Amino acid sequence: QTVVTQEPSQTVSPGGTVTLTCASNTGAVTSDYYPNWFQQKPGQAPRPLIYSTNNEHPWTPARFSGSLLGGKAALTLSGAQPEDEADYYCLVYYGGVWVFGGGTKLTVL
Amino acid sequence: EVQLVESGGGPVQPGGSLKLSCATSGFIFSGSTIHWVRQASGKGLEWLGHVRNKGNNYATAYAASVKGRCTITRDESENTSHLQMNSLKIEDTAVYYCFRQAGTIDAWGQGALVTVSS
Repeated sequence: QTVVTQEPSQTVSPGGTVTLTCASNTGAVTSDYYPNWFQQKPGQAPRPLIYSTNNEHPWTPARFSGSLLGGKAALTLSGAQPEDEADYYCLVYYGGVWVFGGGTKLTVL
Repeated sequence: EVQLVESGGGPVQPGGSLKLSCATSGFIFSGSTIHWVRQASGKGLEWLGHVRNKGNNYATAYAASVKGRCTITRDESENTSHLQMNSLKIEDTAVYYCFRQAGTIDAWGQGALVTVSS
C-alpha cells in the first residue's frame, strides 16, 4: 500500500521560514510524481497552491514555493503571515492513481 | 468563473448507496479530468478516484480502499460528474469534494456532507 507521509504539525514564527515535506514509502518523490500542494483552512475547501513540483498558480502568494528536497517534495513558506495558519496537503501521482499525504497542521506563532 | 458544485449529500443508512453530482460551469468540461475526494471530520483528504476526458477514453481509476464499491461517471451533455458508492459503512461519513484537472489541478467544489448512520 502506497503511503505518503507529511509532518503532522509544524510551527513558524511570523516572518519566519518553514519547509513542509512529502515523502513516499515507495522511494524518492521526483517530478514524475507531479506533486501538488494544497492549503485548507477550517470549514473551507482545499485551495491549490503548487502544481507539478514547483509551479505556482496565479493566486499563490509569492512567499510559497515548491521544490524537491532530499527525495521528498517540499513546500517552503518564506515570510510567514498569520493568515498562513492552515492545514497543508501534498498530492502525489503514482502512474494512474493519486495519493494524498496525511497533511501538516501549520501554526504561525 | 470556474465553478464546481456538489449535490446529493445527506443521511444514508449503513448498507445503502449514495450518488453525488458535481455540476460544473465556466470551463470546457470535455477537456477536463474530474476527481473525487473525501474528508472525514477532523481527518485528512482521501483521493477516491477520477474520470478522464473523451481524449483519454473516459478512463477511470480508483483508490484501492474504495475499488469495487465506487463508480465515477460523467455526463458531457450536463457538464456533470457523478460519484456512486455502494455498501456504505459508518466510516464513509465525510465531506465529499470534486475537483477538476485540466493540465493543472486548479478548482474545487465546496463539498457535500454524507452521513452514514442508522
